[in-house]
Amino acid sequence: LAKTTQPISMDSYEGQEVNITCSHNNIATNDYITWYQQFPSQGPRFIIQGYKTKVTNEVASLFIPADRKSSTLSLPRVSLSDTAVYYCLVAVNKLIFGAGTRLAVHP
Amino acid sequence: NAGVTQTPKFQVLKTGQSMTLQCAQDMNHNSMYWYRQDPGMGLRLIYYSASEGTTDKGEVPNGYNVSRLNKREFSLRLESAAPSQTSVYFCASSEAFTDTEAFFGQGTRLTVV
Repeated sequence: LAKTTQPISMDSYEGQEVNITCSHNNIATNDYITWYQQFPSQGPRFIIQGYKTKVTNEVASLFIPADRKSSTLSLPRVSLSDTAVYYCLVAVNKLIFGAGTRLAVHP
Repeated sequence: NAGVTQTPKFQVLKTGQSMTLQCAQDMNHNSMYWYRQDPGMGLRLIYYSASEGTTDKGEVPNGYNVSRLNKREFSLRLESAAPSQTSVYFCASSEAFTDTEAFFGQGTRLTVV
């Protein structure tokens, strides 16, 4: 399974764009890149998934370079309610979570 | 819209006691998973069931057993609880084992004293 590396924590302010980068150097050809969000005392929630280039939905954008060895989750104009832990997963089989990135959004 | 339902939500056990955590999903998903999450940490996969009738070990299976009772239900059993098993337990399901979009329950907060 591809190992992922993310920053442990990040801080931002309301209204800013936040970019969280995940490294996955040994990603396999058929692996997708998936991001989850977890609020305190809740289970994780699927945010976005991609294979290459750029994917956008109503919550976030996911940028994946051609070599696919990293990916960047972009949250536009964050609010206090975006304070959560964000997990990057890389696996076709088995949903293995790493430690995630703890994002704190300040007023 | 129940999704994934876990019972109980909270439980306190004494060391050595046994208990079963229940999980049921109403989305007709084939794959189900059990995770534990220790304070301030990420989730660790305990066991998973890729399809009805199959179960496999995840990252941290020691001290646990599972049963895929039917397509809807996947239970996690602690035969002899230990303080190291104090954690929040999450159940999840996905349509297929190759599907990376999973749906999680609200968790069971277990304390072993």
